[in-house]
Amino acid sequence: QKEVEQNSGPLSVPEGAIASLNCTYSDRGSQSFFWYRQYSGKSPELIMFIYSNGDKEDGRFTAQLNKASQYVSLLIRDSQPSDSATYLCARERGEGGGNKLTFGTGTQLKVEL
Amino acid sequence: DTGVSQDPRHKITKRGQNVTFRCDPISEHNRLYWYRQTLGQGPEFLTYFQNEAQLEKSRLLSDRFSAERPKGSFSTLEIQRTEQGDSAMYLCASSGPTGDLFGYTFGSGTRLTVV
Repeated sequence: QKEVEQNSGPLSVPEGAIASLNCTYSDRGSQSFFWYRQYSGKSPELIMFIYSNGDKEDGRFTAQLNKASQYVSLLIRDSQPSDSATYLCARERGEGGGNKLTFGTGTQLKVEL
Repeated sequence: DTGVSQDPRHKITKRGQNVTFRCDPISEHNRLYWYRQTLGQGPEFLTYFQNEAQLEKSRLLSDRFSAERPKGSFSTLEIQRTEQGDSAMYLCASSGPTGDLFGYTFGSGTRLTVV
């Protein structure tokens, strides 16, 4: 079982819709979770991080964490074509290994006009 | 200093050659990380430094790989006797002290192609 699992997609949503991206993790010792956006050929760009159960909102983005279910999600409201990218979920264990991140394989999002 | 710089951006090398990549972190960041990303996969951790000390190495970092961070500033990643399986994007990231997770910034990466 992979430590961080994501559906590779592609996930297609119409412009203006809500895109829902999901991620599960296996290590209950995981403490913090991150969503990165990666355009083709570019490096990952941090969108949000979350470490408490519940929701965290930032503009059009909402991260949701449920530690009991080992589940993290990212909602993108009013999706725009510029949101089309691969979204990487990552977890940080929070032990003495620095801020090492373990990433999922990413979900490709396509926002269609 | 606006971000993490990596050089070169692209490198094409013949199998068996040695290559070296450089990473300049954000100046006030004391932690520096190297990751590798292949097509269709997420970045995979290779190693990290706190100041000049290399504190952890992944099992992915075979004996052909070596990383240094002299004086706790820039870092180099060397791959000796390159193999086609080494073809990937090599990403460097830096962060501040523990807890400053929002400052985890990736550089633009070095794309290595081994032919």
